[in-house]
Amino acid sequence: SYELTQPPSLSVSPGQTASITCSGDKLGDKNACWYQQKPGQSPVLVIYQDRKRPSGIPERFSGSNSENTATLTISGTQAMDEADYYCQAWDSDTVVFGGGTKLTVL
Amino acid sequence: EVQLVESGGGLVQPGRSLRLSCSGSGLTTGDDAMSWVRQAPGKGLEWVGLITSNVYGGTTDYAASVKGRFTISRDDSKNTAYLQMNSLKIDDTAVYYCTRAAMAYPGYHFDYWGQGTLVTVSS
Repeated sequence: SYELTQPPSLSVSPGQTASITCSGDKLGDKNACWYQQKPGQSPVLVIYQDRKRPSGIPERFSGSNSENTATLTISGTQAMDEADYYCQAWDSDTVVFGGGTKLTVL
Repeated sequence: EVQLVESGGGLVQPGRSLRLSCSGSGLTTGDDAMSWVRQAPGKGLEWVGLITSNVYGGTTDYAASVKGRFTISRDDSKNTAYLQMNSLKIDDTAVYYCTRAAMAYPGYHFDYWGQGTLVTVSS
């Protein structure tokens, strides 16, 4: 079965750039998306189709996807961006989520 | 504005059944694909299954972990989707989220989520 691999955790200082990776076989050939989940809340879509931002998502969130790695980049990271982030793709009629990355802003 | 509200969660014994409901507003369940995603306590997101829109025949796909036990359906007259869960196992304990699945060929992403309903499977 298809797998997506994310680093379990990432720490970044406020104002710095956070880059969260998601690796999978030939992931660049698929549509990757990203969700943000804060404690006690439902996930929120922040990037879809590799690099598109839904309405209401700040411009500091951006995405890319090439070869075997999709990347979520948060520029000028703010304290409010501290959350769990999950990548997701579609493979063989199934949805696959990455294991999630806990982003700490300190 | 799209809103999804789940209901039907609770405590259930292993081997028993439970049906979750997802009531939608601001969308038409028949025109949209709907999906269920779950999250075990302290764990990550796990896809459960999906039902396509009527345009695509209302077909269903399921994760291997629930295939043959769970069934997704919908009642378009009520704008409601359902998740019928049979032969429940302790490992099915999770918060279950209803989502709208937006098509991005050849797959989907989930652009609207409900607040989730907790299912606890325990004797």
